[in-house]
Amino acid sequence: DSGVTQTPKHLITATGQRVTLRCSPRSGDLSVYWYQQSLDQGLQFLIQYYNGEERAKGNILERFSAQQFPDLHSELNLSSLELGDSALYFCASSVGSGTREQYFGPGTRLTVT
Amino acid sequence: TQLLEQSPQFLSIQEGENLTVYCNSSSVFSSLQWYRQEPGEGPVLLVTVVTGGEVKKLKRLTFQFGDARKDSSLHITAAQPGDTGLYLCAGYDGGAQKLVFGQGTRLTINP
Repeated sequence: DSGVTQTPKHLITATGQRVTLRCSPRSGDLSVYWYQQSLDQGLQFLIQYYNGEERAKGNILERFSAQQFPDLHSELNLSSLELGDSALYFCASSVGSGTREQYFGPGTRLTVT
Repeated sequence: TQLLEQSPQFLSIQEGENLTVYCNSSSVFSSLQWYRQEPGEGPVLLVTVVTGGEVKKLKRLTFQFGDARKDSSLHITAAQPGDTGLYLCAGYDGGAQKLVFGQGTRLTINP
């Protein structure tokens, strides 16, 4: 158990809908990272927040957004969902902003039908 | 954009055999991590290597960072069915402050 929690575990929704994925980092960690993992693209970095502020951005679509709250939990919002958004979404956390070692949660499996 | 290529993509061997997985790039990384991921779960950090030429051992697993910090290898001795999983290497891009992941090596150890 990494200490990172994610909810929900599974999510099934229709095209065009909006969903919110939630992540709580390990106790003491200030950074939260979001990743998307699909079969054909591997593990892709989406975005990082550090202590409430956006720190780094990866291959995140404009339809997706994230935020980190004062209690350090984070939410990833996915809107206008398309079939191709079906994937595993992972949250990871680390102590600092530029920390190399990240600890991953169990993931949320999103299926868009 | 820094890229990491892993080889082989798939490997299926018998219990007791040895194997090596490679992670290569044309870019220099300030550090490199190896993760193992099992189906339906998140990647689990196995090791971090930082210094060029560094070798780290974790029981039957030996990790090496290339002298030029552009490549790494993972060697497993006497593989066991419990070693089955997806092995991912990830290089830390200090400039962009993000991890860059390889595509992974899916390892199956047959009893």
